[in-house]
Order: sequence, then C-alpha cells, then structure tokens
Amino acid sequence: GAVVSQHPSRVICKSGTSVKIECRSLDFQATTMFWYRQFPKQSLMLMATSNEGSKATYEQGVEKDKFLINHASLTLSTLTVTSAHPEDSSFYICSARDIQSEWTQYFGPGTRLLVL
Amino acid sequence: GQNIDQPTEMTATEGAIVQINCTYQTSGFNGLFWYQQHAGEAPTFLSYNVLDGLEEKGRFSSFLSRSKGYSYLLLKELQMKDSASYLCAGMDSNYQLIWGAGTKLIIKP
Repeated sequence: GAVVSQHPSRVICKSGTSVKIECRSLDFQATTMFWYRQFPKQSLMLMATSNEGSKATYEQGVEKDKFLINHASLTLSTLTVTSAHPEDSSFYICSARDIQSEWTQYFGPGTRLLVL
Repeated sequence: GQNIDQPTEMTATEGAIVQINCTYQTSGFNGLFWYQQHAGEAPTFLSYNVLDGLEEKGRFSSFLSRSKGYSYLLLKELQMKDSASYLCAGMDSNYQLIWGAGTKLIIKP
C-alpha cells in the first residue's frame, strides 16, 4: 500500500529555534498534502492544506508566518515551525492525497515536537 | 456548519462485540471514514463508506445511512489490542476530512 514518511519522528528543541518537518509520499504522487496537529487526548486539528506549486491554505487561527509550509514537488511538503515556543509542543501529522484518487489520504507516522 | 459527533469513551469486554456510533453534518458529502489511532501513533485507515449499507472487513464492519447522517463501526471478537481511539471523519464537497473527537475504546479482560 501507499506509504507516507515523516522526518524527523521526534525532535526536542530550545525555545526560539526553528524546526523543519518533512512529509514525503514514497510510492505515489500527491498534489495535495495536509498538515495536522494533535494535542494529548484531543482529535486531529487541520492546520493547513498544501498544494504543490502554490501557497498553502491555512485554517482559521493558524499563523501562516509561524508555520511555514512549502510543497515544492509532488512527493514532498515541509512544515517549518518558526521561533518555536513550549506551547507549540505537539504531535504533527501529515497526510497525502493520491493524485489518482480524490478521497484517498494516507497518513504519515507523525512527528513529536517538544520545545523546552 | 460541519460537525461530527461520537461518544467520548466506551468500555467493552474481550471477546464481545461493540458498536461505535457517529452522526455527521458536512457541506456536501463524499464519504465517511473510520480510523483507528493507538496512543502516540498516527491514525490508520479502517473503512470507507459512500453508499448506504454495511461494509464488512474481517472483524470490523462499518455501516452508513446517508438519509440519517449516521454511521457506526462494529467490532467483533474484541481483542485487547483493539484498545484505541476510533475516529469518525466525514469528507465534504471539497474532499476535506471533517474529524470527530474520537471514541476511546477500553477493552477489559
């Protein structure tokens, strides 16, 4: 089946630093990728929708200057958390939509971010 | 508005059957998904319904009634490893998933 990878799987950083998370579709092409954030014991919260070659669409309340998204190719999207603070500590999950199927989304394994 | 409702928590016994209900309201409808999520892991796909009726896949079955905006996930022969959160998600007219808060299923021996 389709595979989506995320890197890194876990990252610990100091407050004020920036962290980049990569999301790759390994055996299919994805024009659309989604970035979610999940706090403990809560459901997934969609942060932004990333379309290849265009600007990401951010959900209400998500700061686009803080969470930079780049979707430079059909297999790679990156999320950069700029000037991270402890409240940004969360589980970040990406999903990728198969170019051949609108309803099919495959999830990455997630990245756990801890900001000290 | 768009909304997905499911119970917060359910408890069942190993070997038994449990049904997790979900009601949905979405702007347009392109299907209803169920995902399983173990603590600390990403969700994994369980089922997809877009037509009314029951879809069976091994121990798991999913049902959809579009007229009622209702779905359920049925788990049979429960095993301890089935302890997880079960997320219901509706796909709207933009093919975007609208997520429920998840149902935490606790399996007791």
